[in-house]
Amino acid sequence: QLQLQESGPGLVKPSQTLSLTCAVSGASISSGFSSHSWSWFRQPPGKGLEWIAYIYQSGDTYYNPSLRGRVAISVDRSTNQFSLKLTSVTAADTAVYYCARGYYETNNKWFDPWGRGTLVTVSS
Amino acid sequence: QSVLTQPPSVSGAPGQRVTISCTGNSSNIGAGYDVHWYQVLPGAAPKLLFYGNTNRPSGVPDRFSASKSGTSASLAISGLQPEDEADYYCQSSSRGLSVLFGGGTKLTVL
Repeated sequence: QLQLQESGPGLVKPSQTLSLTCAVSGASISSGFSSHSWSWFRQPPGKGLEWIAYIYQSGDTYYNPSLRGRVAISVDRSTNQFSLKLTSVTAADTAVYYCARGYYETNNKWFDPWGRGTLVTVSS
Repeated sequence: QSVLTQPPSVSGAPGQRVTISCTGNSSNIGAGYDVHWYQVLPGAAPKLLFYGNTNRPSGVPDRFSASKSGTSASLAISGLQPEDEADYYCQSSSRGLSVLFGGGTKLTVL
């Protein structure tokens, strides 16, 4: 059974870079269909879910336009993990960050399973 | 403010039926993009309830049902149980944005 687990520092200073890792277990990150993707989301305190980015098996990446320029997603097949980097963080980036596997079919995308999330607070 | 509109909260007594609406527009749901639903329990991983408008993954009770019509979609929960108390999110896509979510609906079981 595929499981995902986020990890990273719980506290990041303003203007620094937030770096998170999602460990994939139960399957190889390289397995599955070409239509599968690996994805990041976040949920600020008291607010709803927001999509951040996803990366396909091919290496193609897609980012939320609101974050483009500050965000990068990558896959490390040797460790069966994928990562998120968000630069120049501010308090507005404080959120619970989730990783998930994505499915794609005929222009539609959905996500399953998800990790339990990790809280990242941006504060000096 | 989310592009997909959900009621902030709904409530119902155990055993009752509640529905959660998700309203979009002609650029997303109305353009033919599918709607998917997630359940988020406090401190837990979001759980996929429905994909492709009406497809229920294995393990999701058939008390849960979903539909889509025009520019909106709905999630219905019948025979409410205390463990159904959670936040529910709809998700779709649009021509301009790959992935978009509703603002979420908090379900309270009275």
